[in-house]
Amino acid sequence: DQQVKQNSPSLSVQEGRISILNCDYTNSMFDYFLWYKKYPAEGPTFLISISSIKDKNEDGRFTVFLNKSAKHLSLHIVPSQPGDSAVYFCAASDAGGTSYGKLTFGQGTILTVHP
Amino acid sequence: GAVVSQHPSWVICKSGTSVKIECRSLDFQATTMFWYRQFPKQSLMLMATSNEGSKATYEQGVEKDKFLINHASLTLSTLTVTSAHPEDSSFYICSANRGTPIFGSGTQLSVL
Repeated sequence: DQQVKQNSPSLSVQEGRISILNCDYTNSMFDYFLWYKKYPAEGPTFLISISSIKDKNEDGRFTVFLNKSAKHLSLHIVPSQPGDSAVYFCAASDAGGTSYGKLTFGQGTILTVHP
Repeated sequence: GAVVSQHPSWVICKSGTSVKIECRSLDFQATTMFWYRQFPKQSLMLMATSNEGSKATYEQGVEKDKFLINHASLTLSTLTVTSAHPEDSSFYICSANRGTPIFGSGTQLSVL
């Protein structure tokens, strides 16, 4: 039972353009969502997060949008840079108490940004 | 910023031996740490929640007698893979909370 889904295994974008990575979830108890960037044989690096009480959060080139009714979130990277090439994971948590930090991950999307 | 250190970064062992992986929060205390594993081309899956001073909580399907977790101090959790077999070969990652979950660099375990 995959509670967090990233249906696009890969995405290829040209440098300077927008990258849009999508994520869907099924568990309505999730109330905190995070995006991580990961390279092979390394731990995930936190990028940006959003609470369920918001529908948008922006940090520099990264913006996360949340549509609670559709149980969908997306990560926008503008402008995309070759250094953004990595695997991107969407993660969700039912935050609060010690359960915070107990994350459910999507399958990941491989982003390739071409010069 | 806050750092979670994980050691070793990779280990190769013979089938039947035990392997210990350490996870340390370097500049903050963590009463709770989390252990994940990632098989090739798959997602990160939570294995267990490590609780300082008490027993770990294991996710369904994870054998507690095979994956021993000890969280003896506020900055250190260890995962011991006992009697490792080739199917235990995986990438093991720990995390701790510092505002947001911060991950260690991971340990690649290869069991021959």
